[in-house]
Amino acid sequence: AQSVTQLGSHVSVSEGALVLLRCNYSSSVPPYLFWYVQYPNQGLQLLLKYTSAATLVKGINGFEAEFKKSETSFHLTKPSAHMSDAAEYFCAVTRGSGYSTLTFGKGTMLLVSP
Amino acid sequence: DAGVTQSPTHLIKTRGQHVTLRCSPISGHKSVSWYQQVLGQGPQFIFQYYEKEERGRGNFPDRFSARQFPNYSSELNVNALLLGDSALYLCASSFVQESYNEQFFGPGTRLTVL
Repeated sequence: AQSVTQLGSHVSVSEGALVLLRCNYSSSVPPYLFWYVQYPNQGLQLLLKYTSAATLVKGINGFEAEFKKSETSFHLTKPSAHMSDAAEYFCAVTRGSGYSTLTFGKGTMLLVSP
Repeated sequence: DAGVTQSPTHLIKTRGQHVTLRCSPISGHKSVSWYQQVLGQGPQFIFQYYEKEERGRGNFPDRFSARQFPNYSSELNVNALLLGDSALYLCASSFVQESYNEQFFGPGTRLTVL
């Protein structure tokens, strides 16, 4: 079974500051990992995914994440926050082979102040 | 190209009633998954259908059922509604059922049970 823990239900940053959203996973088999973003009253949009290729994954809107097997982590970062980044972010894990469904964390709300 | 579409956008029902939610996947996608997102939580997997067959089921009671049609669209049915069924119901489609394949999410149906 897989599980995801997102540390911090809310993260506040100033515009232009570094964004760091934390995700730790648990999986008995090699995982695939995803970050999704959800804007108010909308569905989920994929930011990036790790599927056992490069450990540093670059996504849309300047976000990137690094897979660290030794730390079972997949933290999401962005060097400089923009007001439009304010949204809820979900980390998700799935088994890295065959059929499997997504298991999501509880989400982290990113607040960006001017 | 059109993304995943869901109908209706919003729905208000009373306890004990029945509800049907509809989803149209992206053209060419053969897999549809349903998720329930309760306020303040991450999405939870309900069902996955691939080629009109149920391929996975989450930890939900038998009041929840679904089906996939020959055109790959899908319906989620919930009987004997409870207050706790109030949530955003998300549909996601992917080309194949395997875990490496990205799931594209629709905007969701907001169900309120009074």
